[in-house]
Amino acid sequence: KQEVTQIPAALSVPEGENLVLNCSFTDSAIYNLQWFRQDPGKGLTSLLLIQSSQREQTSGRLNASLDKSSGRSTLYIAASQPGDSATYLCAVVNDYKLSFGAGTTVTVRA
Amino acid sequence: DADVTQTPRNRITKTGKRIMLECSQTKGHDRMYWYRQDPGLGLRLIYYSFDVKDINKGEISDGYSVSRQAQAKFSLSLESAIPNQTALYFCATSDLHAGDVTGELFFGEGSRLTVL
Repeated sequence: KQEVTQIPAALSVPEGENLVLNCSFTDSAIYNLQWFRQDPGKGLTSLLLIQSSQREQTSGRLNASLDKSSGRSTLYIAASQPGDSATYLCAVVNDYKLSFGAGTTVTVRA
Repeated sequence: DADVTQTPRNRITKTGKRIMLECSQTKGHDRMYWYRQDPGLGLRLIYYSFDVKDINKGEISDGYSVSRQAQAKFSLSLESAIPNQTALYFCATSDLHAGDVTGELFFGEGSRLTVL
């Protein structure tokens, strides 16, 4: 059974600092990995999707890397802003199903 | 309008009542999913459907049932609600890409259910 872990559970940084969010998974035979953002009381918004054959994906200030062999993905958010405050979840796909981490709640202080 | 719409957005009910949560999508995706989210536990899969005739149990299907009325509609039912089914429920869809097992997931806004 795939286990997905996100550490830390919460993170508080001053505005302008770069954010580094970690995701680890136990079964490296994944098809893809997806990073989501969730605002309080809201649904999940897809940020980046990395296929298993890819090493990284970039979108604006966001960059996600994937190392299947070590079972890790990292989401980097450059020059954080208060609007980046949210919970970030990673999800991995094995056998047609997604397994989610519990998320990292980020607070960016103005 | 949202691509994935869930109704109701909030519902308070009593133990033993039957509840239906509805989901409709305009993305034209074949695959639809129901998840529940509990604090500290992340999202857990309840049921998923790859097309109208294909419905599968997820990791926590006990106490739930689903109906895929059309490609665009996927409903979740709690036949007799109990307090530990209090949670935030999400519907999601994904495309089926040739050569891929699954594509990107798109989520609805969620349905918050409270069972007293």
